[in-house]
Amino acid sequence: KQEVTQIPAALSVPEGENLVLNCSFTDSAIYNLQWFRQDPGKGLTSLLLIQSSQREQTSGRLNASLDKSSGRSTLYIAASQPGDSATYLCAVRLTTDSWGKLQFGAGTQVVVTP
Amino acid sequence: GAGVSQSPRYKVAKRGQDVALRCDPISGHVSLFWYQQALGQGPEFLTYFQNEAQLDKSGLPSDRFFAERPEGSVSTLKIQRTQQEDSAVYLCASTPSRAGYTEAFFGQGTRLTVV
Repeated sequence: KQEVTQIPAALSVPEGENLVLNCSFTDSAIYNLQWFRQDPGKGLTSLLLIQSSQREQTSGRLNASLDKSSGRSTLYIAASQPGDSATYLCAVRLTTDSWGKLQFGAGTQVVVTP
Repeated sequence: GAGVSQSPRYKVAKRGQDVALRCDPISGHVSLFWYQQALGQGPEFLTYFQNEAQLDKSGLPSDRFFAERPEGSVSTLKIQRTQQEDSAVYLCASTPSRAGYTEAFFGQGTRLTVV
């Protein structure tokens, strides 16, 4: 059974510092990996989708790397801002799953202090 | 619509009551997923629809949970005889492809509290 782990569970940084969020998964037979942001009481906002054939994906201040063989992905957020405070979730889709359902980690709760 | 819409946003149910949660996906999206998110956890898969066909219901926790998407657009998740352990946020997601391998778009969720 695929297990997706996110460490740390919570993180607090001062404004301006770079954020590094980790995601690991036990089954390397993934089709792709998606990073989401969740604000309190809200749904999920997609940040980046990285295919299994890709090593990284970038959008603005966000960069996600993927090392499928070691079962790891890292989300980097450059020059953090208080508005980046949220819970960040990673999720994988397995190639063995017929319908592409997402399997999630429990998330990393981030607080960026002014 | 512009995004995935879920209603109601909040629902308080007395134990034993039946509830119905609605999801209106992005227009034209073929695939629709329901997930359940317990407090402090990541979402867990419940069920999958491809158009009107429910192709995977392996994540439904009991036979009290029932989902439908009769016309291949709006979907309803129904929970009969609610229990306290059903308290969670219920999230709906849609994707344009026949299988959900492309980017998933989520609704705001319905927070269900069973008292």
